[in-house]
Amino acid sequence: GESVGLHLPTLSVQEGDNSIINCAYSNSASDYFIWYKQESGKGPQFIIDIRSNMDKRQGQRVTVLLNKTVKHLSLQIAATQPGDSAVYFCALYRGSQGNLIFGKGTKLSVKP
Amino acid sequence: ETGVTQTPRHLVMGMTNKKSLKCEQHLGHNAMYWYKQSAKKPLELMFVYNFKEQTENNSVPSRFSPECPNSSHLFLHLHTLQPEDSALYLCASSQDPRRSGDETQYFGPGTRLLVL
Repeated sequence: GESVGLHLPTLSVQEGDNSIINCAYSNSASDYFIWYKQESGKGPQFIIDIRSNMDKRQGQRVTVLLNKTVKHLSLQIAATQPGDSAVYFCALYRGSQGNLIFGKGTKLSVKP
Repeated sequence: ETGVTQTPRHLVMGMTNKKSLKCEQHLGHNAMYWYKQSAKKPLELMFVYNFKEQTENNSVPSRFSPECPNSSHLFLHLHTLQPEDSALYLCASSQDPRRSGDETQYFGPGTRLLVL
């Protein structure tokens, strides 16, 4: 079956540094990928998405990179701020099933 | 605010109680979802409703009973739960999971459930 894994369960960065959160997936048929941010006491919040016909997409301070060859997805956060402290999930979507499959999440802590 | 609300936000119940969780979405979406989020586990999809029809029941025990009276409201009826059912229950909605461009899911804040 499908599986989604993150490389690190926790990540600690200094305020102002760039953060990189990685995710690996197993099924090459996945065609849509999403990064969510979940702050304490809240539900997951959509950050950025990317389709399988792209390898990079940029948002405000965030960039998602997709490497289909090695089935790897990453989220880069520029100039990390204390407000970025949260758990980050990658999720992938396969149109044939119509459902999202989530990874376990990486907890990002930002040190002042 | 994501446009998806859930009530109650916190719930404590005994194993013999019956309670219901409510979800409402104000986004004009057609699909709604229930997920269970336990510590150190990925989100587990429980149920999917698309255009009010249940399209997914992910081997969920019968002590969880969903209800979707319309595209804007989703309920999860709970009865005779077990302590291991304690978790955060998240509701989400999307436009149409089977159509490219409309499958992004937006989540509510969740109901933190504790079963004693």
